[in-house]
Amino acid sequence: DGGITQSPKYLFRKEGQNVTLSCEQNLNHDAMYWYRQDPGQGLRLIYYSQIVNDFQKGDIAEGYSVSREKKESFPLTVTSAQKNPTAFYLCASRRGRNQPQHFGDGTRLSIL
Amino acid sequence: GEDVEQSLFLSVREGDSSVINCTYTDSSSTYLYWYKQEPGAGLQLLTYIFSNMDMKQDQRLTVLLNKKDKHLSLRIADTQTGDSAIYFCAESMNNYGQNFVFGPGTRLSVLP
Repeated sequence: DGGITQSPKYLFRKEGQNVTLSCEQNLNHDAMYWYRQDPGQGLRLIYYSQIVNDFQKGDIAEGYSVSREKKESFPLTVTSAQKNPTAFYLCASRRGRNQPQHFGDGTRLSIL
Repeated sequence: GEDVEQSLFLSVREGDSSVINCTYTDSSSTYLYWYKQEPGAGLQLLTYIFSNMDMKQDQRLTVLLNKKDKHLSLRIADTQTGDSAIYFCAESMNNYGQNFVFGPGTRLSVLP
């Protein structure tokens, strides 16, 4: 079945450590997105990418980095500069204009 | 500007109808979407409506769009306990990339 796979489901970060969240899709979608969701809150856009080797900052990009070397993959790195990284992270992809976004099952990141 | 608003909470009795409301501000929206999020999971696309339509029905779900008032609603008939979740309204504008805006989500609680 086609879909979006996020891993791991749970992740723990120590102070001063960078961690990378994986997002892979086999839907052949061009655009991919990363969102952050805090308890009881909506979604906030971190980064998005419309094509390979190109990505744009969203509303809350500080303390995060991404890469888009392959169409299928859009990993998100939470750097030590992100002082409040505890949240639920959602990856999404979209085939094209006027198409809906499809979501993975999320990664919950916590601080040790 | 782009803004999507929803009431944050709704409680209904099992078997009753639920109506979740959403208002949006951008008149250039082309598609409007409803997503469902269960605890600890990603967002699941429920249904969507093109902006030149007034209504769309899909089994127990009915979407109504009042484009003049920029008001969108989702009606769930015969609400079940499995419908308890957070429901997000979202709009996409007539371009690509970042312009996919989510509302804050409505938490639906279904009481037995």
